[in-house]
Amino acid sequence: AQSVTQPDIHITVSEGASLELRCNYSYGATPYLFWYVQSPGQGLQLLLKYFSGDTLVQGIKGFEAEFKRSQSSFNLRKPSVHWSDAAEYFCALNTDKLIFGTGTRLQVFP
Amino acid sequence: SAVISQKPSRDICQRGTSLTIQCQVDSQVTMMFWYRQQPGQSLTLIATANQGSEATYESGFVIDKFPISRPNLTFSTLTVSNMSPEDSSIYLCSALPQHTEAFFGQGTRLTVV
Repeated sequence: AQSVTQPDIHITVSEGASLELRCNYSYGATPYLFWYVQSPGQGLQLLLKYFSGDTLVQGIKGFEAEFKRSQSSFNLRKPSVHWSDAAEYFCALNTDKLIFGTGTRLQVFP
Repeated sequence: SAVISQKPSRDICQRGTSLTIQCQVDSQVTMMFWYRQQPGQSLTLIATANQGSEATYESGFVIDKFPISRPNLTFSTLTVSNMSPEDSSIYLCSALPQHTEAFFGQGTRLTVV
Protein backbone atom coordinates (compact mmCIF):
# COMPACT_ATOMS: atom_id res chain seq x y z
CA ALA A 1 0.00 0.00 0.00
CA GLN A 2 1.13 3.54 -0.68
CA SER A 3 1.68 5.59 2.43
CA VAL A 4 3.65 8.36 4.05
CA THR A 5 4.77 8.29 7.67
CA GLN A 6 5.97 11.23 9.71
CA PRO A 7 7.04 9.71 13.02
CA ASP A 8 7.35 12.98 14.92
CA ILE A 9 4.05 14.67 15.73
CA HIS A 10 5.62 17.61 17.53
CA ILE A 11 9.19 18.92 17.61
CA THR A 12 10.54 21.80 19.67
CA VAL A 13 13.86 23.47 18.91
CA SER A 14 15.65 26.60 19.97
CA GLU A 15 16.14 29.39 17.48
CA GLY A 16 19.46 28.92 15.71
CA ALA A 17 19.53 25.17 16.28
CA SER A 18 19.56 22.68 13.43
CA LEU A 19 16.44 20.82 12.41
CA GLU A 20 15.62 17.47 10.86
CA LEU A 21 12.07 16.33 10.19
CA ARG A 22 11.63 12.70 9.30
CA CYS A 23 9.56 11.26 6.48
CA ASN A 24 9.26 7.66 5.35
CA TYR A 25 7.26 6.43 2.41
CA SER A 26 5.95 3.18 1.06
CA TYR A 27 5.67 2.92 -2.71
CA GLY A 28 6.77 0.30 -5.21
CA ALA A 29 7.92 2.60 -7.99
CA THR A 30 10.13 5.67 -8.17
CA PRO A 31 8.54 8.19 -5.85
CA TYR A 32 7.78 11.83 -6.44
CA LEU A 33 8.16 13.41 -3.00
CA PHE A 34 7.35 16.81 -1.59
CA TRP A 35 7.55 18.85 1.56
CA TYR A 36 4.88 21.47 2.25
CA VAL A 37 4.62 23.97 5.08
CA GLN A 38 1.44 25.39 6.54
CA SER A 39 1.48 28.31 8.93
CA PRO A 40 -1.50 28.77 11.26
CA GLY A 41 -4.55 29.85 9.32
CA GLN A 42 -2.65 29.82 6.06
CA GLY A 43 -2.62 27.70 2.94
CA LEU A 44 -0.03 25.16 1.89
CA GLN A 45 3.31 26.32 0.56
CA LEU A 46 5.67 24.04 -1.33
CA LEU A 47 9.14 23.93 0.22
CA LEU A 48 10.82 21.52 -2.17
CA LYS A 49 10.30 18.51 -4.38
CA TYR A 50 12.11 15.43 -5.56
CA PHE A 51 11.38 13.85 -8.92
CA SER A 52 14.68 12.26 -9.93
CA GLY A 53 18.38 13.00 -10.23
CA ASP A 54 20.37 14.51 -7.41
CA THR A 55 19.18 13.04 -4.15
CA LEU A 56 19.89 16.22 -2.20
CA VAL A 57 17.37 18.86 -3.14
CA GLN A 58 17.36 22.48 -2.16
CA GLY A 59 14.21 24.37 -1.40
CA ILE A 60 13.02 27.75 -0.32
CA LYS A 61 13.70 29.41 3.05
CA GLY A 62 17.00 27.56 3.47
CA PHE A 63 15.49 24.08 3.62
CA GLU A 64 16.93 20.99 1.99
CA ALA A 65 15.90 17.34 1.85
CA GLU A 66 17.73 14.16 1.08
CA PHE A 67 16.14 11.23 -0.73
CA LYS A 68 17.44 7.84 0.42
CA ARG A 69 15.94 5.00 -1.55
CA SER A 70 17.54 2.31 0.66
CA GLN A 71 15.79 3.76 3.70
CA SER A 72 12.60 4.88 1.93
CA SER A 73 13.15 8.26 3.48
CA PHE A 74 12.96 11.90 2.49
CA ASN A 75 14.03 13.88 5.55
CA LEU A 76 13.83 17.64 5.67
CA ARG A 77 16.70 19.65 7.16
CA LYS A 78 17.63 23.20 8.00
CA PRO A 79 20.97 24.16 9.55
CA SER A 80 19.68 27.08 11.60
CA VAL A 81 16.03 27.52 12.48
CA HIS A 82 14.35 30.92 12.67
CA TRP A 83 11.36 31.74 14.85
CA SER A 84 9.32 32.26 11.69
CA ASP A 85 9.80 28.59 10.78
CA ALA A 86 7.28 27.59 13.44
CA ALA A 87 4.52 25.87 11.46
CA GLU A 88 3.11 22.51 10.44
CA TYR A 89 5.21 20.53 7.97
CA PHE A 90 3.79 17.89 5.68
CA CYS A 91 5.60 15.29 3.63
CA ALA A 92 3.70 14.07 0.58
CA LEU A 93 4.00 11.31 -1.98
CA ASN A 94 2.73 11.62 -5.53
CA THR A 95 1.53 8.39 -7.05
CA ASP A 96 -1.49 9.01 -9.25
CA LYS A 97 -2.71 11.23 -6.40
CA LEU A 98 -1.01 13.15 -3.64
CA ILE A 99 -0.87 11.36 -0.30
CA PHE A 100 0.05 13.34 2.80
CA GLY A 101 1.75 12.29 5.99
CA THR A 102 0.18 13.20 9.31
CA GLY A 103 2.37 16.24 9.71
CA THR A 104 4.95 17.49 12.19
CA ARG A 105 4.28 20.59 14.24
CA LEU A 106 7.43 22.64 14.75
CA GLN A 107 7.71 24.93 17.71
CA VAL A 108 10.67 27.33 17.97
CA PHE A 109 11.81 28.81 21.26
CA PRO A 110 13.75 32.10 21.30
CA SER B 1 2.25 26.29 -12.75
CA ALA B 2 -1.45 26.60 -12.05
CA VAL B 3 -3.48 29.13 -10.15
CA ILE B 4 -6.57 27.85 -8.39
CA SER B 5 -9.50 29.98 -7.34
CA GLN B 6 -11.72 28.39 -4.74
CA LYS B 7 -14.93 29.80 -3.34
CA PRO B 8 -16.41 30.47 -0.96
CA SER B 9 -13.41 31.03 1.29
CA ARG B 10 -15.52 30.42 4.36
CA ASP B 11 -19.10 29.78 5.32
CA ILE B 12 -21.23 29.08 8.34
CA CYS B 13 -24.06 26.68 7.59
CA GLN B 14 -27.01 25.19 9.41
CA ARG B 15 -27.01 21.48 10.02
CA GLY B 16 -29.02 19.51 7.50
CA THR B 17 -28.25 21.89 4.65
CA SER B 18 -25.79 21.50 1.77
CA LEU B 19 -22.91 23.65 0.56
CA THR B 20 -21.32 23.59 -2.88
CA ILE B 21 -17.68 24.63 -3.19
CA GLN B 22 -16.33 25.72 -6.54
CA CYS B 23 -12.79 25.31 -7.86
CA GLN B 24 -11.51 27.04 -10.99
CA VAL B 25 -8.05 26.39 -12.44
CA ASP B 26 -6.42 28.86 -14.81
CA SER B 27 -5.20 26.10 -17.13
CA GLN B 28 -6.35 22.69 -18.25
CA VAL B 29 -5.30 19.91 -15.91
CA THR B 30 -6.04 16.23 -16.09
CA MET B 31 -6.04 15.53 -12.39
CA MET B 32 -8.08 17.39 -9.82
CA PHE B 33 -8.68 16.35 -6.25
CA TRP B 34 -10.65 17.33 -3.18
CA TYR B 35 -9.18 17.14 0.32
CA ARG B 36 -10.50 17.66 3.81
CA GLN B 37 -8.40 19.05 6.63
CA GLN B 38 -10.03 18.71 10.01
CA PRO B 39 -8.81 20.98 12.81
CA GLY B 40 -5.25 20.18 13.76
CA GLN B 41 -5.07 17.32 11.27
CA SER B 42 -3.37 16.54 8.01
CA LEU B 43 -4.99 16.56 4.60
CA THR B 44 -7.19 13.60 3.82
CA LEU B 45 -8.07 12.86 0.23
CA ILE B 46 -11.80 12.74 -0.36
CA ALA B 47 -11.86 11.91 -4.04
CA THR B 48 -10.36 12.30 -7.47
CA ALA B 49 -12.53 14.44 -9.71
CA ASN B 50 -12.61 12.76 -13.12
CA GLN B 51 -13.55 14.78 -16.15
CA GLY B 52 -16.53 13.28 -17.91
CA SER B 53 -17.07 10.45 -15.47
CA GLU B 54 -17.94 9.75 -11.87
CA ALA B 55 -15.45 10.76 -9.21
CA THR B 56 -13.27 8.14 -7.54
CA TYR B 57 -13.82 8.18 -3.80
CA GLU B 58 -11.40 7.17 -1.09
CA SER B 59 -12.32 4.79 1.66
CA GLY B 60 -14.71 6.41 4.10
CA PHE B 61 -16.16 8.90 1.63
CA VAL B 62 -19.29 8.33 -0.44
CA ILE B 63 -20.92 10.04 -3.35
CA ASP B 64 -24.19 10.68 -1.57
CA LYS B 65 -22.42 12.73 1.08
CA PHE B 66 -19.83 14.41 -1.16
CA PRO B 67 -21.10 14.62 -4.74
CA ILE B 68 -18.49 15.97 -7.13
CA SER B 69 -18.82 17.40 -10.60
CA ARG B 70 -16.07 17.88 -13.18
CA PRO B 71 -17.64 19.23 -16.36
CA ASN B 72 -14.35 20.21 -18.00
CA LEU B 73 -10.59 20.29 -17.46
CA THR B 74 -10.56 23.57 -15.56
CA PHE B 75 -13.51 23.38 -13.17
CA SER B 76 -14.86 21.18 -10.40
CA THR B 77 -17.36 21.40 -7.57
CA LEU B 78 -17.67 19.57 -4.28
CA THR B 79 -20.95 19.49 -2.41
CA VAL B 80 -21.09 18.70 1.28
CA SER B 81 -24.58 17.31 1.77
CA ASN B 82 -26.85 17.08 4.79
CA MET B 83 -24.22 18.70 6.94
CA SER B 84 -23.57 18.00 10.58
CA PRO B 85 -21.12 19.69 12.97
CA GLU B 86 -18.66 16.86 12.25
CA ASP B 87 -18.33 18.21 8.73
CA SER B 88 -16.76 21.40 10.03
CA SER B 89 -13.38 21.43 8.31
CA ILE B 90 -11.28 23.11 5.69
CA TYR B 91 -11.95 21.73 2.23
CA LEU B 92 -9.24 22.13 -0.38
CA CYS B 93 -9.21 21.74 -4.11
CA SER B 94 -6.02 20.59 -5.78
CA ALA B 95 -4.74 20.34 -9.33
CA LEU B 96 -1.92 18.01 -10.26
CA PRO B 97 -0.41 18.73 -13.66
CA GLN B 98 1.83 16.05 -15.02
CA HIS B 99 5.45 15.91 -13.88
CA THR B 100 5.19 18.77 -11.43
CA GLU B 101 3.94 19.55 -7.98
CA ALA B 102 0.32 19.84 -6.91
CA PHE B 103 -1.30 23.24 -6.61
CA PHE B 104 -3.89 24.09 -4.04
CA GLY B 105 -6.70 26.52 -3.62
CA GLN B 106 -6.76 28.63 -0.49
CA GLY B 107 -9.41 26.38 0.97
CA THR B 108 -12.97 26.73 2.19
CA ARG B 109 -13.36 26.98 5.94
CA LEU B 110 -16.72 25.42 6.76
CA THR B 111 -18.43 25.71 10.11
CA VAL B 112 -21.64 23.79 10.67
CA VAL B 113 -23.85 24.97 13.52
